Amino acid sequence: GNSVTQMEGPVTLSEEAFLTINCTYTATGYPSLFWYVQYPGEGLQLLLKATKADDKGSNKGFEATYRKETTSFHLEKGSVQVSDSAVYFCALRGGGADGLTFGKGTHLIIQP
Amino acid sequence: EPEVTQTPSHQVTQMGQEVILRCVPISNHLYFYWYRQILGQKVEFLVSFYNNEISEKSEIFDDQFSVERPDGSNFTLKIRSTKLEDSAMYFCASRAGSNTGELFFGEGSRLTVL
Repeated sequence: GNSVTQMEGPVTLSEEAFLTINCTYTATGYPSLFWYVQYPGEGLQLLLKATKADDKGSNKGFEATYRKETTSFHLEKGSVQVSDSAVYFCALRGGGADGLTFGKGTHLIIQP
Repeated sequence: EPEVTQTPSHQVTQMGQEVILRCVPISNHLYFYWYRQILGQKVEFLVSFYNNEISEKSEIFDDQFSVERPDGSNFTLKIRSTKLEDSAMYFCASRAGSNTGELFFGEGSRLTVL
């Protein structure tokens, strides 16, 4: 079946630091890959997505590239802000399943 | 901007009671989902719904759970006899018809079973 593995947090960084949150997946075929973000007290919001190999999703300074050879979709940002503090979920849809399969989430804390 | 809305935002119930969580998906969306997130754990898929029937469900979605789209706008999740372990945040989501389309999530309904 489908599965997503992402680095567990919390990840604590200083403002303007470089961010990487690793995500790898297992799925048959060619899944679509997503990063969702959950701010405190809120629901899940799509941050970015990629639907085929070598696609790069980007939004709000965040980027992730769909790497089929390494089955990875790592999230990166060059300079984080305090407002980026949230829980980030890597997810996939495909491999014959309709629903999303989520990773466990990574809690990101940015200190001023 | 269109959004998925969920009610109630928080419900406290006694074990064994029935609970109905309500969702209003985005109006032109065709696919509907329920997920749950037990505190501190991952977001888990429960069920997907399309064309007025369940299209897929997980092992979690046992006979205690049911979903319904009683009219053209609401999408409900019913838990027939709640257990302590049903305490979680329940998220509704909807998707347009595109196969690669994103899911739009509501803000969640927190269920506490005592």
